Amino acid sequence: EVQLVESGGDWVQSGRSLRLSCAASGFTFGDYAMHWVRQAPGKGLEWVSGISWNSGTIIYADSVKGRFTISRDDAENSLHLQMNSLRAEDTALYYCARRMKDNVGFDLWGQGTMVTVSS
Amino acid sequence: ESVLTQSPGTLSLSPGERATLSCRASQSVSSSYLAWYQQKPGQAPRLLIYAASSRATGIPDRFSGSGSGTDFTLTISRLEPEDFAVYYCQHFGSSPPWTFGQGTKVEIK
Repeated sequence: EVQLVESGGDWVQSGRSLRLSCAASGFTFGDYAMHWVRQAPGKGLEWVSGISWNSGTIIYADSVKGRFTISRDDAENSLHLQMNSLRAEDTALYYCARRMKDNVGFDLWGQGTMVTVSS
Repeated sequence: ESVLTQSPGTLSLSPGERATLSCRASQSVSSSYLAWYQQKPGQAPRLLIYAASSRATGIPDRFSGSGSGTDFTLTISRLEPEDFAVYYCQHFGSSPPWTFGQGTKVEIK
């Protein structure tokens, strides 16, 4: 089955760190760019970070630049997001998403992992 | 960075009616880089439309996208009960951030 499964979400205090993971299965993970998108409770979608298929291009939203680090392990078919210096405004459901290979759009999403940052 | 503004915020319609959702960009964007998503409560978003007018795999043909420049539209020709959800547009610019619109909720009247 083609799927993405996120893990690592938790309740943490402001200033602490957390590492999210996304396990991919059912497709050739190394062929695809991957992204993280978050959604604060009751709010809309916010793109967070992305990494190209070969890790040659890595991009971040300004809101997380310098605090979050995206990485991938193609041998393990996994995507990661290291989140440091967490703030209350980082509280959200974090989704990993696959970018279409030949077009733009996120065509596969996980179910998300919840991060709650307490101040 | 192009800011996307969706309207209306909420659309109240009955099953069988036509829904027209708008996504307006603050500056002209390439239609090749405009996508639409559907999100139901408690679920992840689902890609509906990419490149402004191409339906993603498995998306029924009652969903259609159109537009160019700064004005884009998602049309649902006849609302089915499962179509009541929140819809987001997204632009993939030449550089990040790849922002989403704030969403339009389609609710049952």
